[in-house]
Amino acid sequence: SQKIEQNSEALNIQEGKTATLTCNYTNYSPAYLQWYRQDPGRGPVFLLLIRENEKEKRKERLKVTFDTTLKQSLFHITASQPADSATYLCALAPSSNTGKLIFGQGTTLQVKP
Amino acid sequence: KAGVTQTPRYLIKTRGQQVTLSCSPISGHRSVSWYQQTPGQGLQFLFEYFSETQRNKGNFPGRFSGRQFSNSRSEMNVSTLELGDSALYLCASSQGAGDTEAFFGQGTRLTVV
Repeated sequence: SQKIEQNSEALNIQEGKTATLTCNYTNYSPAYLQWYRQDPGRGPVFLLLIRENEKEKRKERLKVTFDTTLKQSLFHITASQPADSATYLCALAPSSNTGKLIFGQGTTLQVKP
Repeated sequence: KAGVTQTPRYLIKTRGQQVTLSCSPISGHRSVSWYQQTPGQGLQFLFEYFSETQRNKGNFPGRFSGRQFSNSRSEMNVSTLELGDSALYLCASSQGAGDTEAFFGQGTRLTVV
C-alpha cells in the first residue's frame, strides 16, 4: 500500500542547531515533493518545492533534498530559532496536472532557547 | 492580493444534520482542493475541483460532496453528520499543477455533537 512517513512526531533541539526532518514514501512515484509549515489553529504555509530530477533546493536557512532511489526527502533548518517551532509537513504531488497533495503526518519541531 | 477565505471559522452541528462550508480562492486560481485534518489521521485529501469540474477524489464516503462555481468559489457539503466528522476542514487554492504551491485558508473547525 502507499505510505508517507515522517520520521518522528516530535523533535526537540537547541537554538542555533540544525534541525533535520525526514520524509519517506513507499509505492509512490511523485513528480514533486513539497514542504509546508503549520502553526496551531492555522492552515499550512508553503515553504519549498523540489522536483524529481532535482537533488537539492535551498531557500535562506532552509534546505531540502530529494532522493528518488531511497524514496526519501530530508528537510533541514540551519541556525534554528524558537520562532521555527511549528509542525512541518511533507506533501507529494503525484503528477503535474493536479493540485492534489498527499500529506505525511507531520513532525512537530520545538526549538528551545 | 487577498488570501484564501473560508467561512465559517467554527461550526457546531448535531449528528444527522448536514453542513455546507465555503471557500473563496485566490483570484486567478482555478483549482480548489479540500482536506480533512484530524489528530489521528493528519491531513487527508477529500477532492479537487478545477474549472467547475471534480478532477480528483479521495477515499471518503459519498456523504462528502462539493462543487465549484464559475468564479472558482467552492463549497463542500457533508450530509448525515457523524461524530467522526469532527475535524478541521481546510481548502487550498492553487494554479492546479503539482509544481505550484498551494495556498491554504484558515480552515473551518467543525464539531459534531
